[in-house]
Amino acid sequence: AQTVTQSQPEMSVQEAETVTLSCTYDTSESDYYLFWYKQPPSRQMILVIRQEAYKQQNATENRFSVNFQKAAKSFSLKISDSQLGDAAMYFCASRGGSNYKLTFGKGTLLTVNP
Amino acid sequence: GAGVSQSPRYKVAKRGQDVALRCDPISGHVSLFWYQQALGQGPEFLTYFQNEAQLDKSGLPSDRFFAERPEGSVSTLKIQRTQQEDSAVYLCASSSRQGPASTQYFGPGTRLLVL
Repeated sequence: AQTVTQSQPEMSVQEAETVTLSCTYDTSESDYYLFWYKQPPSRQMILVIRQEAYKQQNATENRFSVNFQKAAKSFSLKISDSQLGDAAMYFCASRGGSNYKLTFGKGTLLTVNP
Repeated sequence: GAGVSQSPRYKVAKRGQDVALRCDPISGHVSLFWYQQALGQGPEFLTYFQNEAQLDKSGLPSDRFFAERPEGSVSTLKIQRTQQEDSAVYLCASSSRQGPASTQYFGPGTRLLVL
């Protein structure tokens, strides 16, 4: 079984600043994948970034990067140079290597202030 | 190409009515998933199809929920005798291949309100 915990229901950041969203997870599997999804208001969920647990190097996608701490089971998302379009609900999710379904956290609502 | 589409986008049902929610996955995607997202929560897994085979329905909350994908493309999630607790956004996702590394692409969801 997998569990994902997001302890920050809401976060805010000033435009052009950096913000970090926290996520912790638990899994009994040795092979698994971690994801951050973005869900803008009334719009569909899109994948922001993905991390394979077997890779030690942290994933990066343009302004988005993760801090993957495997021993601590922590998977935080850093958004650099925040833009107004980054405002959304962000979900952390995991998926086991022997599984196919995503397990999501409860989400963090990010507000970007101009 | 077109993404995952879902219809209707909004559905209001009276308690006890049956509803059918449709999902059109990305063309050629073999895997299809249904998730339920309650207000203020993250999505929760309902069921999974690989082509036309329903390989996992462990997340369906009761026997009032039924899903099908008869030709391995379009899928329908049916809820019989709707209850107020069924009110949620129902998300469909598809992926091009099996395996945990494959990316799931989500549709816009159907928001169901049961009165």
